[in-house]
Amino acid sequence: EPEVTQTPSHQVTQMGQEVILRCVPISNHLYFYWYRQILGQKVEFLVSFYNNEISEKSEIFDDQFSVERPDGSNFTLKIRSTKLEDSAMYFCASRVGGAQETQYFGPGTRLLVL
Amino acid sequence: QKEVEQNSGPLSVPEGAIASLNCTYSDRGSQSFFWYRQYSGKSPELIMFIYSNGDKEDGRFTAQLNKASQYVSLLIRDSQPSDSATYLCAVYLGNEKLTFGTGTRLTIIP
Repeated sequence: EPEVTQTPSHQVTQMGQEVILRCVPISNHLYFYWYRQILGQKVEFLVSFYNNEISEKSEIFDDQFSVERPDGSNFTLKIRSTKLEDSAMYFCASRVGGAQETQYFGPGTRLLVL
Repeated sequence: QKEVEQNSGPLSVPEGAIASLNCTYSDRGSQSFFWYRQYSGKSPELIMFIYSNGDKEDGRFTAQLNKASQYVSLLIRDSQPSDSATYLCAVYLGNEKLTFGTGTRLTIIP
């Protein structure tokens, strides 16, 4: 069964450094997402991406964040200058299409900012 | 009012019994409702989705939706120790933003 994959599974970085989190969505899916989950808190929407542009973003997704689909398979989240409070699990998700359809989640990247 | 609200638990249920998980949501325009299961340190895993009022059954799981009351629930029959996890209710706010509740932690007692 096709799955969303994410790399790396864990990333440790120093405050102020740039990180890039990578995702490979399910191949026939058209809509891509990033969510984050701070330890002990709920899963929070960051951004949605369709047809090579951001379709919606949350207030969390400020200028420090960017997303890109550099080729036909990868979908990346870049955090330009990491802060301590960026430490969280970051989940990529994708869905085929159609309004309000099921999103399938990848295994996540655990980011720790020191 | 919180957008998606769940009782955080923990909810303890004996093995073999029925576990009942509840969720309320604030947006009357929401059309799609999801239950995800999340094991500690893992990603959300889809259990069920429901779009129409009433019940939807899939194996040991039944989702119930009442749009008039803005209420969605998940019943787990014949609970197993492997069902011990956090159950996340998720609702679309608009067409893109899937909004999650805080989750209900369920423990099945052998």
